[in-house]
Amino acid sequence: QVQLQESGPGLVKPSETLSLTCTVSGGSISSYYWSWIRQPPGKGLEWIGYIYYSGSTNYNPSLKSRVTISVDTSKNQFSLKLSSVTAADTAVYYCARVGVRYYYDTTVHYFDYWGQGTLVTVSS
Amino acid sequence: QSVLTQPPSASGTPGQRVTISCSGSSSNIGSNTVNWYQQLPGTAPKLLIYSNNQRPSGVPDRFSGSKSGTSASLAISGLQSEDEADYYCAAWDDSLNAQFGGGTKLTVL
Repeated sequence: QVQLQESGPGLVKPSETLSLTCTVSGGSISSYYWSWIRQPPGKGLEWIGYIYYSGSTNYNPSLKSRVTISVDTSKNQFSLKLSSVTAADTAVYYCARVGVRYYYDTTVHYFDYWGQGTLVTVSS
Repeated sequence: QSVLTQPPSASGTPGQRVTISCSGSSSNIGSNTVNWYQQLPGTAPKLLIYSNNQRPSGVPDRFSGSKSGTSASLAISGLQSEDEADYYCAAWDDSLNAQFGGGTKLTVL
């Protein structure tokens, strides 16, 4: 059974860079897309971006200028960096695997495994 | 402001059938499949429905999904108290950006 675990500082100062790592266990990071998703307190889900195990990325256009997602296949980990944070970036951050199913006429994607989430607060 | 539109709340009594709607556009739901996630209080979201109407292993058949045009629906039949949760629809757009609905809080009365 695939398991994901987020780790990183729970408190970040305004204007600094938020850094989180997701460790994947119970399966290889290879051959999948991996994503970061966040949820501000009391609010809905916001997709941040994904990375393929080979290193190709795609980011939410609204966050693209501040986001970097990287992967370390040797450690079965992928990471998130979000720069110039403000209080609006306070949220529970989840890492998730992007599952894929191939049909004759289309390919479907979904988030099939999630980490438990980690709360990151931006405050001085 | 979420790209996909869901009602903020829904409710039902045990045993009832409840539906939750999700409205999008031609660039997301209209051209890609819809997934649904269930988030129980204090926990991470869980995949409930993928590819419009497919249930992952372990999801009860009380949960069903459908899609028509640029809208989708999640139906829960035989409502149970443990179904009380937040439900999110999601779809990918043509640039492979994931988009979520704002979420619907389901209350079992």
